[in-house]
Amino acid sequence: AQSVTQLDSQVPVFEEAPVELRCNYSSSVSVYLFWYVQYPNQGLQLLLKYLSGSTLVKGINGFEAEFNKSQTSFHLRKPSVHISDTAEYFCAVRILTGGGNKLTFGTGTQLKVEL
Amino acid sequence: KAGVTQTPRYLIKTRGQQVTLSCSPISGHRSVSWYQQTPGQGLQFLFEYFSETQRNKGNFPGRFSGRQFSNSRSEMNVSTLELGDSALYLCASSADTPNTEAFFGQGTRLTVV
Repeated sequence: AQSVTQLDSQVPVFEEAPVELRCNYSSSVSVYLFWYVQYPNQGLQLLLKYLSGSTLVKGINGFEAEFNKSQTSFHLRKPSVHISDTAEYFCAVRILTGGGNKLTFGTGTQLKVEL
Repeated sequence: KAGVTQTPRYLIKTRGQQVTLSCSPISGHRSVSWYQQTPGQGLQFLFEYFSETQRNKGNFPGRFSGRQFSNSRSEMNVSTLELGDSALYLCASSADTPNTEAFFGQGTRLTVV
């Protein structure tokens, strides 16, 4: 079975400061990795995904993430956050074969950007 | 291209009743998955349908069921509602190719009173 750990339930940060949201996963098989964002009363929107290739992945809204296989991590970063980045962020994994499109999610990190 | 459409957006039901939620996937997507989101349990996978067949199932009681129609639209049903079923129910559609991602609808907020 797969599992995803997001250690930080809340991350407060000032506007224009950098931020890192941490994600670690556990799986006995190879996985795809995703970061989703959820604004209040909305569904999930894909920020970025790692499928293969370069371990540094760039996504929308200036976010990027780095896949580290040895540390089984996929941390999300942004060099300068904006008030509009306030939202909940979810890390998720999907196994490469045999699991269909089932996603296993972390518990989420609430990013609060303050002036 | 239209996104994933879930109806209704909000529902209030009484304990013991049953409810049906609907999801229309992105045109051409044959895979539809359902998730339950609650503050306590986070995002939990319910089940996935592909070409009218259930392909994956999460750890939910039999009161939770679903189906998919030939046009890929999907419904999920919850019978004998309990207070703990109050949640945001999210539907996701996928193209079912190796490099695809899931696209989510805005969800149905179910409140059981």
